[in-house]
Amino acid sequence: GIQVEQSPPDLILQEGANSTLRCNFSDSVNNLQWFHQNPWGQLINLFYIPSGTKQNGRLSATTVATERYSLLYISSSQTTDSGVYFCVTGDSGGYQKVTFGIGTKLQVIP
Amino acid sequence: KAGVTQTPRYLIKTRGQQVTLSCSPISGHRSVSWYQQTPGQGLQFLFEYFSETQRNKGNFPGRFSGRQFSNSRSEMNVSTLELGDSALYLCASNMDGGGEKLFFGSGTQLSVL
Repeated sequence: GIQVEQSPPDLILQEGANSTLRCNFSDSVNNLQWFHQNPWGQLINLFYIPSGTKQNGRLSATTVATERYSLLYISSSQTTDSGVYFCVTGDSGGYQKVTFGIGTKLQVIP
Repeated sequence: KAGVTQTPRYLIKTRGQQVTLSCSPISGHRSVSWYQQTPGQGLQFLFEYFSETQRNKGNFPGRFSGRQFSNSRSEMNVSTLELGDSALYLCASNMDGGGEKLFFGSGTQLSVL
């Protein structure tokens, strides 16, 4: 199956700082999504981005499918950005057998 | 539109018992998938249902099973519970499962004593 690697595994930021989270995947994928899991366990879909670049407020994401990686940018971080960020992919065979990365645990301190 | 609803939110069971978890997808979504999250193994895919049929299955023992009803609601069952089954169980839905945006419920936290 597809292997998904995320880096860094842990990140501590001062409020207001910027950061880049990376996701590498081992094979062609038919979808690539970024999620934020809050301290209560809820997974929020940030981006559905199999290719290209998208922006949503302070967050943006870029996926370069031909080079098998995706980046999530967080600018002007806030304490509410704390939590775990997951990169999730599905193989190009379709259907929903997705693979999660191990996640990046982000802590934003005031 | 209401989001994905999972019940119950918390559950405590003892070894050897069985448990049933419920998931109601977003209205109009026909694909429901289930995941187990543990500190040691992270998030792992359990299975996916579409139109009452299991289309895909992860690497879990047969004690883990599920079903989907005609209204797309899904249930997951774990029989003969083991301590290692303690986990957050999440379900997600989307329109037809084929590489689309996933929407997750809040999860059921299962503790096996």
